[in-house]
Amino acid sequence: DQQVKQNSPSLSVQEGRISILNCDYTNSMFDYFLWYKKYPAEGPTFLISISSIKDKNEDGRFTVFLNKSAKHLSLHIVPSQPGDSAVYFCAAKENYGQNFVFGPGTRLSVLP
Amino acid sequence: DAGVIQSPRHEVTEMGQEVTLRCKPISGHNSLFWYRQTMMRGLELLIYFNNNVPIDDSGMPEDRFSAKMPNASFSTLKIQPSEPRDSAVYFCASSTGEGQPQHFGDGTRLSIL
Repeated sequence: DQQVKQNSPSLSVQEGRISILNCDYTNSMFDYFLWYKKYPAEGPTFLISISSIKDKNEDGRFTVFLNKSAKHLSLHIVPSQPGDSAVYFCAAKENYGQNFVFGPGTRLSVLP
Repeated sequence: DAGVIQSPRHEVTEMGQEVTLRCKPISGHNSLFWYRQTMMRGLELLIYFNNNVPIDDSGMPEDRFSAKMPNASFSTLKIQPSEPRDSAVYFCASSTGEGQPQHFGDGTRLSIL
């Protein structure tokens, strides 16, 4: 039973346009969320996080939105660049501990 | 700055053999995590340590798996005996503490024949 879902296995976007990656979760106890980016043959790299007390967090071209009532978060990348092509993982954890649960990932391809 | 260092990068061995994966966390990080990534199950947390003490090992699949952290700069994940279904990419990660982002190594690709 997946607690963190990323229902789009892949996404293609034109360079310069917006990329929107979605993540849904089922555990209402999750209160801290992160996005990671992963290139082939490398480990995941932390991108951006958000806690449940916020509904938006922005860092440069990356913005994460959290809708707690819908148990949904999204990552917006604007503008998208070819170097953003990677697999993006959503991860979540409960208030205590460090047990992050990862989604299956979405492969983003940014076309030049 | 040196990131999380894992060795070996690739390991191919026959079933029944003992496998030892190694990890050096980022200096100053006091939390260390072992993950396994497979196509079927994605990225799963196996075990994590705080200040060299195992905190949550509920993700360790079975007794064939064991992990140790003898000091703040070194950890091992051991599989004995190994089986073909253990084939996966194993990641080590470290962080400065609760709620902080984890920094991942580049993983060990393990193939059990």
